[in-house]
Amino acid sequence: SQQGEEDPQALSIQEGENATMNCSYKTSINNLQWYRQNSGRGLVHLILIRSNEREKHSGRLRVTLDTSKKSSSLLITASRAADTASYFCATDYSNYQLIWGAGTKLIIKP
Amino acid sequence: ETGVTQSPTHLIKTRGQQVTLRCSSQSGHNTVSWYQQALGQGPQFIFQYYREEENGRGNFPPRFSGLQFPNYSSELNVNALELDDSALYLCASSSRPGTDTQYFGPGTRLTVL
Repeated sequence: SQQGEEDPQALSIQEGENATMNCSYKTSINNLQWYRQNSGRGLVHLILIRSNEREKHSGRLRVTLDTSKKSSSLLITASRAADTASYFCATDYSNYQLIWGAGTKLIIKP
Repeated sequence: ETGVTQSPTHLIKTRGQQVTLRCSSQSGHNTVSWYQQALGQGPQFIFQYYREEENGRGNFPPRFSGLQFPNYSSELNVNALELDDSALYLCASSSRPGTDTQYFGPGTRLTVL
């Protein structure tokens, strides 16, 4: 079973626009992470947000966490062609196991 | 600083065969996790190794086994391959056991015919 579920499954926007994707999860967590994957290859860590944090920024990325709603969002501002990728959220299911959603496929149109 | 590397990049096997996948962790990292990612899905946790011991395991049968060596590199072995084992196998290393930030290798694409 999947702990995290991303929404939407796919998103297509124009270069320069902002992209927002959401993640919902089912049980309480210690942390939530966002990763990017290009063309079915290795994943790249973007941001880790802990359960006692509400918002975190990294460059053009902004992540929010609402533990009362068991949800998180990833905002990418001023999108670029290089942002085209799949984005995954992962939550800690146990002390050693991350549970992943099926991802949001983001396409940036020139 | 050397990143996570995996070998081979691609592999084709037939049903019933056995396969070994290899991973070298990022320098300074003592923990390795293995994941299976089917096409169009998120990664599924197989197991995690810390200091040569299995630290935790996901919902995978015993024919999926692993090793971690003193230099913290790792192997994933899969016996009696099934068609459903066709997937991208990802290795990730981290500086401590648990669920903090993980650094992924490029993956090994396994096709079982």
